Amino acid sequence: AQSVTQLDSHVSVSEGTPVLLRCNYSSSYSPSLFWYVQHPNKGLQLLLKYTSAATLVKGINGFEAEFKKSETSFHLTKPSAHMSDAAEYFCVVSDLTGKLIFGQGTELSVKP
Amino acid sequence: GAGVSQSPSNKVTEKGKDVELRCDPISGHTALYWYRQSLGQGLEFLIYFQGNSAPDKSGLPSDRFSAERTGGSVSTLTIQRTQQEDSAVYLCASSPGSEQYFGPGTRLTVT
Repeated sequence: AQSVTQLDSHVSVSEGTPVLLRCNYSSSYSPSLFWYVQHPNKGLQLLLKYTSAATLVKGINGFEAEFKKSETSFHLTKPSAHMSDAAEYFCVVSDLTGKLIFGQGTELSVKP
Repeated sequence: GAGVSQSPSNKVTEKGKDVELRCDPISGHTALYWYRQSLGQGLEFLIYFQGNSAPDKSGLPSDRFSAERTGGSVSTLTIQRTQQEDSAVYLCASSPGSEQYFGPGTRLTVT
């Protein structure tokens, strides 16, 4: 069975400093992995996806994630946080039918 | 182009009443998913439609929940005899392949 674990429920950074949101996955086969973002009272937006091509995946708004099979990790990073990045972030794995299995979410706060 | 739309955006209902939630997927997307987002359970899969195949109902929490997709497009999620634990945001997503595009959700409150 597939699962994801987001290691931090809340991360706080200062504007202009790097962002690291951690995610570990478990999968019995080569997974498809995603990061989604949800701003307050808004829908889920796809940030990026990994589907067994390049291990370093670039997404929207300057975010990227690196797939590390040896560590079963798919951490999300951004070099410099912006106030508008404050939101909840979900690490997601899909099963063979395409159903998404969500992590519990990491709330990112950005301080001025 | 137009994204996934859902209606109503908010629904308040009394315990025991039936509710219908609607999802209009992106045109041409063959797959449609329903998820539920609640404080205690996070985001969880409910049901999945793919083309003309029988839906995957493995995530429906009880037989009070049902869904249909007419003509391979619009989908309706029905909850019968609503309970307070059904209060949540119900999200619909459509997909042309691997990634899913979500609608804004319907916030259901059962009083």
